[in-house]
Order: sequence, then C-alpha cells, then structure tokens
Amino acid sequence: EVQLVESGGALVQPGRSLRLSCTASGFLFGDSAMSWVRQAPGKGLEWIGFIRSTAYDGTAEYAASVKGRFIISRDDSKNIAYLQMSSLKAEDTAVYYCTRTWFDTPLVDYWGQGTLVTVSS
Amino acid sequence: EIVLTQSPGTLSLSPGERATLSCRASQSVSYKYLAWHQQKPGQPPRLLIYGASSRVTGIPDRFSGSGSGTDFSLTINRLEPEDFAVYYCQQYDNSLGTFGQGTKVEIK
Repeated sequence: EVQLVESGGALVQPGRSLRLSCTASGFLFGDSAMSWVRQAPGKGLEWIGFIRSTAYDGTAEYAASVKGRFIISRDDSKNIAYLQMSSLKAEDTAVYYCTRTWFDTPLVDYWGQGTLVTVSS
Repeated sequence: EIVLTQSPGTLSLSPGERATLSCRASQSVSYKYLAWHQQKPGQPPRLLIYGASSRVTGIPDRFSGSGSGTDFSLTINRLEPEDFAVYYCQQYDNSLGTFGQGTKVEIK
C-alpha cells in the first residue's frame, strides 16, 4: 500500500524558511517521481512542482509562483522527499500535500494527508 | 503554461441524477494527458481518471471521462450520496502539472 506522510508544517513568520519532509513507503521510491501540491484555506489545488526519479535524471520543475523560492529534493536512501521553502509570504499559507506522480510526468496518482503551513507574524 | 478552466463552478443535483463537468484548456493537451481528481471535505484528493478516459482501479463505472484537444468532460451517472464532492481536472502534458479551479457537486 502506497503511503505518503508529510511532516514539518508549522507557524512561521513572513520572510523565514521552512522545510517539509515526505516519508514514502509501499512502492519503489527511487523509481518514482514525487511532487508537491498545496491548497490555501477554502481554495483549490495549486501544483507547486515535481522532482523526477533519480533513474530518469532527478531534475525538478516548478510553478512560476514558487520558482526561485522553493526547492524540491529527494533522498532515495531514506525514501524521503523534501520541500525547502524560503522567503515565505502570507499567501504561501496552505495545506501542503506530498504526492507521487506517474512515470516522471506531473500526473498525481497518490496523495498524502497534507501538512499545514501558516505564514503569519 | 496551460490554463484549465472548469465549469460550472457549482452543480446542484439530486442523488440519481447525472452530472456533467467541463474542463477547457487554454491550448491543446497532447496525448490526452488530462486527469480528474475528487476531493471530499477534510480529505486529500484522490485520482479518478487519467488519460482523459481511463478509470483508476476501483473507481465505479458510473464515472466516465471523455474529450481531447482543449475540451474534456467528466460524467457521473446516477449520482450516489458519496459522489457529492469537489472535482478538479489536471493536465500533465508538459512539465507543469496545472489544475483547474474545481467544480463542486452539491446536493440539491
């Protein structure tokens, strides 16, 4: 069974940084691309970016809204994907979902339960 | 970036009725790389349909997807109480996997 467990969500001040982690199990992590999707309170889904499998080339792509501020990385030895967020703004407040994607495309096929990030002074 | 526009924003229907949801892309989506996700209150979304019309294992056959190019739709035949939720389309044609803004299917 595919399981994705996010951690690291917190209340953080504007301008600060935060790193989210996603611990994966139930599938071959190293062969899978991983992505992050967020959902602001009461709003729709926003795709943030994804990192391709190491077997493919391990590169990442980002939405324009976070490019240059957010970095997605992975540690295949620990089955963990990370989302490093910097220069956080109030509009980054959201539930952040870790997701597995399908065959190194951005298609989300499994979702984690999400972790809440609140950016506020 | 491909922008997806879903309509209507809200669909008010009764159990047993048919729901038809639309997703229009700002440019053609290659290889029918269009998916549909369902989200119920307080839960993460789940994937229902990929490749415009392929159901995920375990999804009831009352859910069907169709379309190509820039126009796609999700049809739910004979709505069950558990089908009332928000539905999002997602394109994965290029390296950016954008979502539509969602259609809420609510009980009339």
